[in-house]
Amino acid sequence: AQRVTQPEKLLSVFKGAPVELKCNYSYSGSPELFWYVQYSRQRLQLLLRHISRESIKGFTADLNKGETSFHLKKPFAQEEDSAMYYCALNQAGTALIFGKGTTLSVSS
Amino acid sequence: DSGVTQTPKHLITATGQRVTLRCSPRSGDLSVYWYQQSLDQGLQFLIQYYNGEERAKGNILERFSAQQFPDLHSELNLSSLELGDSALYFCASSVGEGELFFGEGSRLTVL
Repeated sequence: AQRVTQPEKLLSVFKGAPVELKCNYSYSGSPELFWYVQYSRQRLQLLLRHISRESIKGFTADLNKGETSFHLKKPFAQEEDSAMYYCALNQAGTALIFGKGTTLSVSS
Repeated sequence: DSGVTQTPKHLITATGQRVTLRCSPRSGDLSVYWYQQSLDQGLQFLIQYYNGEERAKGNILERFSAQQFPDLHSELNLSSLELGDSALYFCASSVGEGELFFGEGSRLTVL
């Protein structure tokens, strides 16, 4: 069955430290993966998608089909990065499946 | 605001009752999705509609039903409510199968 796993419920780092939010997926087809973010008191919104291969707010994510992973990385965390991050998998013909989310807390 | 709007924002009701949550998608978006967010389960996909037709079904209980009307707004009906149904219910819309745009959610508390 298709599944998205985010093993960490909470990740706490200091400002300026590197960040890696882990995401693993299981999917038999060709996956389309996304990262969504929810800042405090804001709506859930798209951060980036693997097909665009872009960097948003300093975040990047590379699809590793061998390890079935799509980890989100940022070399230097900022306090404004504190939020809930969801990894999501697009299943052909149906809707996005989300992981359980990881709360990122960046402190100074 | 031309984004996704959901009403009500908060709802408190008793076990056994029935409630209706309403969602208006972004202008031009034909797809509407419903998700349930609870502390231990994260975001669970419930159901998707596209231009009035059911497109996909997720972990939606039989006590729950939804529909999308000709004006593209959608309603999620939750009946015979149980304590475990307390959650944040999100609606999202998209043009097709692209980026999802989320509403602010309806927080349901069942006492």
